[in-house]
Amino acid sequence: GQSLEQPSEVTAVEGAIVQINCTYQTSGFYGLSWYQQHDGGAPTFLSYNGLDGLEETGRFSSFLSRSDSYGYLLLQELQMKDSASYFCAVSKDSSYKLIFGSGTRLLVRP
Amino acid sequence: NAGVTQTPKFQVLKTGQSMTLQCAQDMNHEYMSWYRQDPGMGLRLIHYSVGAGITDQGEVPNGYNVSRSTTEDFPLRLLSAAPSQTSVYFCASSSSLGAGGGYTFGSGTRLTVV
Repeated sequence: GQSLEQPSEVTAVEGAIVQINCTYQTSGFYGLSWYQQHDGGAPTFLSYNGLDGLEETGRFSSFLSRSDSYGYLLLQELQMKDSASYFCAVSKDSSYKLIFGSGTRLLVRP
Repeated sequence: NAGVTQTPKFQVLKTGQSMTLQCAQDMNHEYMSWYRQDPGMGLRLIHYSVGAGITDQGEVPNGYNVSRSTTEDFPLRLLSAAPSQTSVYFCASSSSLGAGGGYTFGSGTRLTVV
């Protein structure tokens, strides 16, 4: 089996920086992905880490440590529109089988 | 530029009825998957496919069948609907890069079984 752990809720202030952590336990690990989902919407792809280290895409960065089975998503210069749910997901046994965590609900306050 | 198209968007079924949720993508993607999402929860993988004629089970396959006769289409069949299958169903597709290139999701089908 596999398990992914991430906080259920995080609250932050507009303009601030927030980090959403994800720890995982799975065999056949290929990589860690992050997705954003607004209420009533579909998930959208944010980032992917196949190797250890930091990946940066604009205001969003994602980090992976395979030895610690740990990753995080870093959101900088928070905006109100960043209020959404964020899911980490592991690629298990292959690059195409994607297993999701239960998600972190981010609330950005003025 | 349709991406991933799911139909219908909403459906109400009676217990025991069967139906097919349609999914089509126009990006020539190899990989396609079906997920269900229950309120306040993450997405759970039902079935996935790595190409035409090839499908495999995910985390929660019971009660669902899939087939992939073409690259574009990946329908999900509910054999005998149960209230426990009330959920939002998402279809997703990815290029040969798989997770590294990101999955594109459809807008979802909201299914209620009464």
